[in-house]
Amino acid sequence: QVELHQSGLGLLKPSETLSLTCTVSDGSIAIGGWYWNWIRQRPGKGLEWIGNIYNNGSTNYNPSLQSRISISVDTSKDQFSLELTSVTPADTGVYYCARVPLVPKVPGWYYYGLDVWGQGTTVTVSS
Amino acid sequence: DVQMTQSPSTLSASIGDRVTITCRASQAIATWLAWYQQTPGTVPKLLIYKASNLEVGVSSRFSGSGSGTEFTLTISSLQPDDFATYYCQQLHSYPWTFGRGTRVEIK
Repeated sequence: QVELHQSGLGLLKPSETLSLTCTVSDGSIAIGGWYWNWIRQRPGKGLEWIGNIYNNGSTNYNPSLQSRISISVDTSKDQFSLELTSVTPADTGVYYCARVPLVPKVPGWYYYGLDVWGQGTTVTVSS
Repeated sequence: DVQMTQSPSTLSASIGDRVTITCRASQAIATWLAWYQQTPGTVPKLLIYKASNLEVGVSSRFSGSGSGTEFTLTISSLQPDDFATYYCQQLHSYPWTFGRGTRVEIK
């Protein structure tokens, strides 16, 4: 069973950059067939999809965060990463990485759902 | 963005009850909907994909239905492990969006 392991610092000051990395245990990033996602859960705000990336570097971002986020992939290290710039206390919450399989259908394919999640990283932004 | 509206926001029920949670999309999303369960301090768990398909390993007391703009998650006989918060998510169009959640609590 594949595992996603998150790493990165969770305590930041306003205006700093959040950097998180998610390591995939089975090398499946390079194989293809999944989108690799970041989601966050802010206190009292529910789940918010941040963005995703495919192994070729193709990204999709949430427009609400697009000006501040960057998601990258390193297939040689089986990792994908999130950078969120100019953080404020409103960015405080738990950040998750997760994968979404692409399922073939006729024609094309569809997104399965967030089926495997990282353990979550608590991010606190405070001066 | 597609807005996802869940109801109710909180539901009180007893062990053995049949429970239904509704999720409405602000525009048609075909069957591109997933349901998740989250207990406090844990990672969300995928229950249902493509509106009505049970994820591997998930109990058959969970079922999903619907298409277009209205969807339901049903728990046929509530068990102690089912007291949790449930979220719907649309994967029809970017940005993917979630409902605000339905908390199922013990009556």
